Amino acid sequence: EAQVTQNPRYLITVTGKKLTVTCSQNMNHEYMSWYRQDPGLGLRQIYYSMNVEVTDKGDVPEGYKVSRKEKRNFPLILESPSPNQTSLYFCASSRRGENSPLHFGNGTRLTVT
Amino acid sequence: ILNVEQSPQSLHVQEGDSTNFTCSFPSSNFYALHWYRWETAKSPEALFVMTLNGDEKKKGRISATLNTKEGYSYLYIKGSQPEDSATYLCALYNQGGKLIFGQGTELSVKP
Repeated sequence: EAQVTQNPRYLITVTGKKLTVTCSQNMNHEYMSWYRQDPGLGLRQIYYSMNVEVTDKGDVPEGYKVSRKEKRNFPLILESPSPNQTSLYFCASSRRGENSPLHFGNGTRLTVT
Repeated sequence: ILNVEQSPQSLHVQEGDSTNFTCSFPSSNFYALHWYRWETAKSPEALFVMTLNGDEKKKGRISATLNTKEGYSYLYIKGSQPEDSATYLCALYNQGGKLIFGQGTELSVKP
């Protein structure tokens, strides 16, 4: 089954404790992206990647890191999480190009206390 | 930062009503407009990808139009059903691969 898999689905952590949210897709998509969703603010892009070893900042990259060492994986790293990073996170992937719709993962709800 | 605006923010209709909502975006440097449907506790799912001025797309009772010259797209739902209740998102694809989402229109259809 074609899918984007995020883990974990839920995570509660404390300020400053490094964490990684994994994202994997099995559709051989070139493009992958991370979004956060906050009430009243919609989906905001954190980072995106057009292909392996190519990553770019989205609109809200501060406090996050990503890597794209393999085509299928695009982990989101929070080196020192803070409470303002409490949010619902989505990973998405697509074929390259503006005509290709995004396929979203199931989301990760992160709480930083 | 490009601004993608959706209106209204929320909409409550009765089953059987037809409805529509708007997505507005800067008309310069247009590449594509995406529409997604996002049900509560699920992930957004793609409805349409539109690229050409005058594009009209249809999927069942849902259709969309695109005007790139004036910078807007309409989403129409004919004969709304309770299962149409969701948040409808539009997103503008710009140069460099960034997809910028509007805040969404939350539709509630009452039986």
